[in-house]
Order: sequence, then structure tokens, then C-alpha cells
Amino acid sequence: KQEVTQIPAALSVPEGENLVLNCSFTDSAIYNLQWFRQDPGKGLTSLLLIQSSQREQTSGRLNASLDKSSGRSTLYIAASQPGDSATYLCAVKGNNQGGKLIFGQGTELSVKP
Amino acid sequence: DAGVTQSPTHLIKTRGQQVTLRCSPKSGHDTVSWYQQALGQGPQFIFQYYEEEERQRGNFPDRFSGHQFPNYSSELNVNALLLGDSALYLCASNTWDNEQFFGPGTRLTVL
Repeated sequence: KQEVTQIPAALSVPEGENLVLNCSFTDSAIYNLQWFRQDPGKGLTSLLLIQSSQREQTSGRLNASLDKSSGRSTLYIAASQPGDSATYLCAVKGNNQGGKLIFGQGTELSVKP
Repeated sequence: DAGVTQSPTHLIKTRGQQVTLRCSPKSGHDTVSWYQQALGQGPQFIFQYYEEEERQRGNFPDRFSGHQFPNYSSELNVNALLLGDSALYLCASNTWDNEQFFGPGTRLTVL
């Protein structure tokens, strides 16, 4: 059974810092992995999608890496800003689990001015 | 191009009642998935609809049912509401196994 874990659960950093959010999964047979952002009480905004054949994806100040063999993904945020404050969720789609996404519990990020 | 839309935004019900939530997928998408997100938790998969049929189901009781219409919009129905059903209900759409796009969610409170 696939399980997704995100560490840390919460993170507070001063503005301008580079930071790394971690996501681990127990079954390496994944189809893809997505990183999402969620503002309080809102829906999910897709940030990056990494296919199983890829090692990383970049969008602006965000870079996500994927290491299937070790069951890990990291989301790197460069030069953090207060507007980056939100909960970040990772989700995996398995090869043999149909269309469902399995989510971690998220990392709540606070960037202080 | 409208993204995924959901209605209503908020809903308050009492235990034992029934509720229907609605979702319109992003233009060009034919697959709709529903997720339940309890406070402080990651979303949990309820089920997915494709071509008006339930394609896959998560670990939710039969009180949770759904439907997909010919225009690809979808409904989530929950019968005999329990306090534990209070959550944010998220709808996502995509084409086949591609990237899923999420709506703003419906906040359900059961009193």
C-alpha cells in the first residue's frame, strides 16, 4: 500500500531564504508525482508535475526533483517571499492504482517579512 | 477558459441529512475525481468517473455515491451525514491519466 510522508509538518523561515520541502513514498512504482500549493480553506494549485521518467522539473523559483529508487522528492524554493506562505502538498499516482492521487499531509510554510 | 468549478462554496447540514455537491470540469477534460480533505490532513480519494461510469473507488462507505453526466460534469452525494463527514470536498478533472486540476472546493459542515 502506497504511503506518502512529508517532512517537516511546518516550517517558518525569514524572507529571502532558500528552502527545501521533502516528500517520501513507500512504493517506487509511480506513474508521476505532483506538487501542489494550498492557501487556507482553498483548493489546490498544481505547481509542478514530474513524470516517472524525469528527474526534475523547474518553474520560476521552484524546482522539484524525483528519485524513484529511494522513494523521495524534494521541492526547492529559491529566495522565499511572504507570498509563498501556504501549505505544500505532494501527491503520487501509482502505476497500477488507476487515476487516484495519494497525498501526503502537507508542509505548512510561513515566510516572515 | 474556465477552470474547474464547484458549487456550493459552503454548506451546513445536520446529522442524518443528505447532501449533493456539484462539479464542472475544466474545458476539454472528461475525467472527474472527488477527494475529501479533513482539517489539517491531505486529501483522500473518494472516487473517479470517466465516460459516466465509476472508474475507481477509494475506501469510502456506500453512503458516498456519485454521478457523471454526458457533459462530463459530476455530482457527489452523501447520505445519512455524520459529524465526521465535515470536510473540504475537492473535485479534480483531467483527461485520462494526465495532470489533475482542482477546483476551489466545497466546505461541508455537519452539525
